[in-house]
Amino acid sequence: NAGVTQTPKFRVLKTGQSMTLLCAQDMNHEYMYWYRQDPGMGLRLIHYSVGEGTTAKGEVPDGYNVSRLKKQNFLLGLESAAPSQTSVYFCASSYSKARPTDTQYFGPGTRLTVL
Amino acid sequence: DAKTTQPPSMDCAEGRAANLPCNHSTISGNEYVYWYRQIHSQGPQYIIHGLKNNETNEMASLIITEDRKSSTLILPHATLRDTAVYYCIVRAAYTGTASKLTFGTGTRLQVTL
Repeated sequence: NAGVTQTPKFRVLKTGQSMTLLCAQDMNHEYMYWYRQDPGMGLRLIHYSVGEGTTAKGEVPDGYNVSRLKKQNFLLGLESAAPSQTSVYFCASSYSKARPTDTQYFGPGTRLTVL
Repeated sequence: DAKTTQPPSMDCAEGRAANLPCNHSTISGNEYVYWYRQIHSQGPQYIIHGLKNNETNEMASLIITEDRKSSTLILPHATLRDTAVYYCIVRAAYTGTASKLTFGTGTRLQVTL
């Protein structure tokens, strides 16, 4: 099992550019999450999904959109990047009906810099 | 989720056991103790969790006191690769829907030669 994977690992954008971060999990998890982590701060939840075709806002959703067209993938989009979105982005997944606990497993992160 | 208290930092010699304490005096009956760690620049890594019995897996052991007000994560033979920030989190195992994971300040474990 690869667990949770994220692409790309690094990216530099100019202000106003758009991009999509991809998260994939092979654990048949129902729930998926996008967090951001800024220096010296904890994780903040951007958006999450409780199943294929569903998404919901977390605590810092502004400036981001998400889609979950397939159960194993969760995409995070930035339509018009701003310097305030410079951060490390982590994807996580949790919960399967076979193992009904909410232990979250994280990907390796995407380091994004917006100039 | 119940509040936890951890020492800000600890040192451990390589090859020795690392014992990381956590206080959670307001834990409620349906809340588990979870441990995660974050090695520099990497994603948080799940280590272990437990309700009231001691737990052991390939990474660590978790000792929970009988009154459940505190716990200790034990890395039996620490290596340099175990240098990380360790987070103790108390939360229900499953709330019925997705819920964010909240990390506190954690304990920065430095393993030295």
